[in-house]
Amino acid sequence: AQSVTQLGSHVSVSEGALVLLRCNYSSSVPPYLFWYVQYPNQGLQLLLKYTTGATLVKGINGFEAEFKKSETSFHLTKPSAHMSDAAEYFCAVSDLRGSNYKLTFGKGTLLTVNP
Amino acid sequence: SAVISQKPSRDICQRGTSLTIQCQVDSQVTMMFWYRQQPGQSLTLIATANQGSEATYESGFVIDKFPISRPNLTFSTLTVSNMSPEDSSIYLCSAGQGTNTEAFFGQGTRLTVV
Repeated sequence: AQSVTQLGSHVSVSEGALVLLRCNYSSSVPPYLFWYVQYPNQGLQLLLKYTTGATLVKGINGFEAEFKKSETSFHLTKPSAHMSDAAEYFCAVSDLRGSNYKLTFGKGTLLTVNP
Repeated sequence: SAVISQKPSRDICQRGTSLTIQCQVDSQVTMMFWYRQQPGQSLTLIATANQGSEATYESGFVIDKFPISRPNLTFSTLTVSNMSPEDSSIYLCSAGQGTNTEAFFGQGTRLTVV
């Protein structure tokens, strides 16, 4: 079975500061990894994904994540936080090789951005 | 990309009753899934909705409690049966097709059982 651990259920940053949301996974096979964002009262939106190839993945809204196999990590970063980034962020790993929509999610990290 | 619509978006129900949630995708998709997001928690997969056959349930979820239908490649329903306050959650429909594509999510159905 695969699992995802997100360190920190709540992260608070100032506007313009670096955003770093941590995600570690366990998987017996090479994983597909995802970050999703959930704004209040909305569904999930894909920020970015890693399947194969380049380990540094760029996503929407200026976010990026780096797959580090040796550390089993897939941390999400953004150089400069905006107020609009305030939301809940979920890291996920695919549960079936070649089928990247049956997902195992982490518990989520709530990001607040202070003016 | 696929657009997923869920109905209702929210409901307040009496305990002991049942609620059916509808999920409509604007294009044919290979696979559809139902997730539950309990208050303050992450998403947990309930089942895979299989077109033309019985759904595949994850551990801890049973068909009698969460019957699922999928009559075609664009539509699925999830019923939450004999509800109790512990069933108060957000229920999300997800869909995808092919490999190496993202999973799309509906906006969710926020259920409160009183």
